[in-house]
Amino acid sequence: GAGVSQTPSNKVTEKGKYVELRCDPISGHTALYWYRQSLGQGPEFLIYFQGTGAADDSGLPNDRFFAVRPEGSVSTLKIQRTERGDSAVYLCASSPSGGGRETQYFGPGTRLLVL
Amino acid sequence: DAKTTQPPSMDCAEGRAANLPCNHSTISGNEYVYWYRQIHSQGPQYIIHGLKNNETNEMASLIITEDRKSSTLILPHATLRDTAVYYCIVKRGFGNEKLTFGTGTRLTIIP
Repeated sequence: GAGVSQTPSNKVTEKGKYVELRCDPISGHTALYWYRQSLGQGPEFLIYFQGTGAADDSGLPNDRFFAVRPEGSVSTLKIQRTERGDSAVYLCASSPSGGGRETQYFGPGTRLLVL
Repeated sequence: DAKTTQPPSMDCAEGRAANLPCNHSTISGNEYVYWYRQIHSQGPQYIIHGLKNNETNEMASLIITEDRKSSTLILPHATLRDTAVYYCIVKRGFGNEKLTFGTGTRLTIIP
């Protein structure tokens, strides 16, 4: 079956602009996660959805970052007033129900470059 | 979640067993050891996890010491496609769903 997909694969924007990154999880997976990966570092947790609600948003760095999952499937990560420091690969993952021992399945990521 | 310590890089000859160590001396009794790997320009991929017993699947084996303060991931017959960054992660088996990645071990398989 299809894995986690993310669009766009690459995004170049200018400082101060608004961007939206999309994640399509594996069909039927109720848990969805966003991570951010800077060059040379491991992925860093941003937010976790269980269904439509954000169960843990402790990783969002500031209020410029926001994510939604209105129908419990597709999720959009929104970044306002982008800064050069937001440049990174944004990874999305999903798991069947979010139980602690479930495998998380990752998408290929969106590479964001803020000029 | 407990922190982990891994060597930054390792080499292994193709066809040999690759043994990747991980220290997690502050692991708690309800925490599992997970291994993920990340091939260049891809998202992380789950490999294996365990609590205290050794585990084996089609990809790898996981050896956890009796005191659970360290573990070793074994790729029995490494191929060039196993070149990747390998992450050892310790997390609770319930209630805390996020993965906390360190910087991992960059494993290079030498032809």
